Amino acid sequence: AQTVTQSQPEMSVQEAETVTLSCTYDTSESNYYLFWYKQPPSRQMILVIRQEAYKQQNATENRFSVNFQKAAKSFSLKISDSQLGDTAMYFCAFMKHDTRGSQGNLIFGKGTKLSVKP
Amino acid sequence: EAQVTQNPRYLITVTGKKLTVTCSQNMNHEYMSWYRQDPGLGLRQIYYSMNVEVTDKGDVPEGYKVSRKEKRNFPLILESPSPNQTSLYFCASKRQTYSNQPQHFGDGTRLSIL
Repeated sequence: AQTVTQSQPEMSVQEAETVTLSCTYDTSESNYYLFWYKQPPSRQMILVIRQEAYKQQNATENRFSVNFQKAAKSFSLKISDSQLGDTAMYFCAFMKHDTRGSQGNLIFGKGTKLSVKP
Repeated sequence: EAQVTQNPRYLITVTGKKLTVTCSQNMNHEYMSWYRQDPGLGLRQIYYSMNVEVTDKGDVPEGYKVSRKEKRNFPLILESPSPNQTSLYFCASKRQTYSNQPQHFGDGTRLSIL
């Protein structure tokens, strides 16, 4: 069974600085997908970024980027130029890929609560 | 507008009183799923459906039922709710079960069982 671990329950960062949220996972699968979701106080689940395990290049989306280390089973999220609107709970998630494609079930970590301070 | 709609958004009820949380998506998505979110535990999958009339248990199915009689709707049923089912619930969908597309989430339903 797959597991996802987020070891930082809470973090804080000053506005305009950079912060990195960590995520590790355990799987015997060779093909899979990884995601970071953001949950602001409005409690919506918003996709931030995703990474295909077969791609060596790290995914980036504007101020958000990942450091994907497949051998170490690590998938950290870096937020550059932090903004007040980045204050949220962040969840790392895993989705496996089988011979028929990527079966839909997501396995989530327990989350990291990020506070961006002015 | 493409969306996943859950109702109600909030509900306070009592132990043993049957309730249904509805979920509807307007994107003709094949796959739908229910999650519950609890502090310190993240989101855990309750049930999922890979297509009409095809449902299966997730990681925490005890005390819940679902049905998928039509593609757009995937209601979550609590036949005899108990206080340990007090939680924040999310419905999600994606276009095809076997694809790498991300899931679209509803806005959540806050259930309190007294």
